[in-house]
Amino acid sequence: GAVVSQHPSWVICKSGTSVKIECRSLDFQATTMFWYRQFPKQSLMLMATSNEGSKATYEQGVEKDKFLINHASLTLSTLTVTSAHPEDSSFYICSAGGDRGFSYEQYFGPGTRLTVT
Amino acid sequence: GQNIDQPTEMTATEGAIVQINCTYQTSGFNGLFWYQQHAGEAPTFLSYNVLDGLEEKGRFSSFLSRSKGYSYLLLKELQMKDSASYLCAAMDSNYQLIWGAGTKLIIKP
Repeated sequence: GAVVSQHPSWVICKSGTSVKIECRSLDFQATTMFWYRQFPKQSLMLMATSNEGSKATYEQGVEKDKFLINHASLTLSTLTVTSAHPEDSSFYICSAGGDRGFSYEQYFGPGTRLTVT
Repeated sequence: GQNIDQPTEMTATEGAIVQINCTYQTSGFNGLFWYQQHAGEAPTFLSYNVLDGLEEKGRFSSFLSRSKGYSYLLLKELQMKDSASYLCAAMDSNYQLIWGAGTKLIIKP
């Protein structure tokens, strides 16, 4: 159990275009989902926390108008990178925190590698 | 401020034992996580400690001392597939994970 999927697993787009990444919890309801970005040889950087049905909470320095997050249901959150630029090229990972009660484990999706040309 | 410290890189020999240390400073504490991350992949959960002491799970064990703000991950009978980055993360009073930069473990034959 506790499977989180992401789609697409990799995407190449041109500068100026927008890209949408989906994160789904397949076998549990996720009231909270987290979006991370990871640059090569660096640790995870939390971008935002989204709760189902409410606006996402963005970390300092993350542009909410550029990285649009929607958490419309208990099993789906989306991250849209708007007007992407080469510096947005990174590994984007989502995780979901379920209503498990016994631990606060985050279940990670497989990640999406974004390359902006 | 909140901070996690762990070594950048460690090298060990196949079949041996290695201990990866992690010290943390957080606003409140709700547990310490260890994750394994292979290159190009997402992290996978290894362990969660919220009480002092040692938690053993197969070849992997994790230790926590809350008074010292210290944890370690112990890997026994190392295998080549254990070559990965190991991420330490502490959960603060707001249940937010504070991530370390990760320790890259290199296993040599």
